[in-house]
Amino acid sequence: SYVLTQPPSVSVAPGKTARITCGGNNIGIKSIHWYQQKPGQAPVLVIYYDSDRPSGIPERFSGSNSGNTATLTISRVEAGDEADYYCQVWDSSSDHPPFGGGTKLTVL
Amino acid sequence: QVQLVQSGAEVKKPGASVKVSCEASGFTFNAAYYMHWVRQAPGQGLEWMGWINPYSGDTNSAQKFQGRLTMTRDPSISTVYMELSRLRSDDTAVYYCARVESVAGPSDPWGQGTLVTVSS
Repeated sequence: SYVLTQPPSVSVAPGKTARITCGGNNIGIKSIHWYQQKPGQAPVLVIYYDSDRPSGIPERFSGSNSGNTATLTISRVEAGDEADYYCQVWDSSSDHPPFGGGTKLTVL
Repeated sequence: QVQLVQSGAEVKKPGASVKVSCEASGFTFNAAYYMHWVRQAPGQGLEWMGWINPYSGDTNSAQKFQGRLTMTRDPSISTVYMELSRLRSDDTAVYYCARVESVAGPSDPWGQGTLVTVSS
């Protein structure tokens, strides 16, 4: 099965830029989705198909995907961005959409 | 607006089965939509379990759940169901349903989650 690798944690100061990576074999040829999950809440889609933003998601959230790494970038980080972030891809070989292990974003 | 409402928390004994429902509103089941089930054990990450197409009834599940996971639907009441059998203590988790437009699309929105506790 297709494996996605995320760093367990990322820390950033308010106002700075956070970059959360998601690694996978040739992930650049797959479509990746990103979810934000705050404690006690259901996940929320923040980026889909690599770089599209759903309505209601701030422009500060952006995504890119190339080679073996996809990246979720959060600009001008705010305290309210503190959450767990998960990547997900579609594995066409199995018709399964595995998740990465998740990254806890801490705003210092 | 599109909304998914799940059934309430459950407490089950090891070896029992649990059935969680997910009622959809704000959209109509058609061939383009899939409903995915995802679970999250306490303090752990998201784990994809399987999907069902509520229109056709087609299903696909992760290998670790095959033989224990049954996904069904009742289009007449816009509801899908997830039944997990032969429960173990490590099945204790919050179970989510989520809508996916086209099988490979993003999960959006998600249900509120259903806590299933397996304890003797």
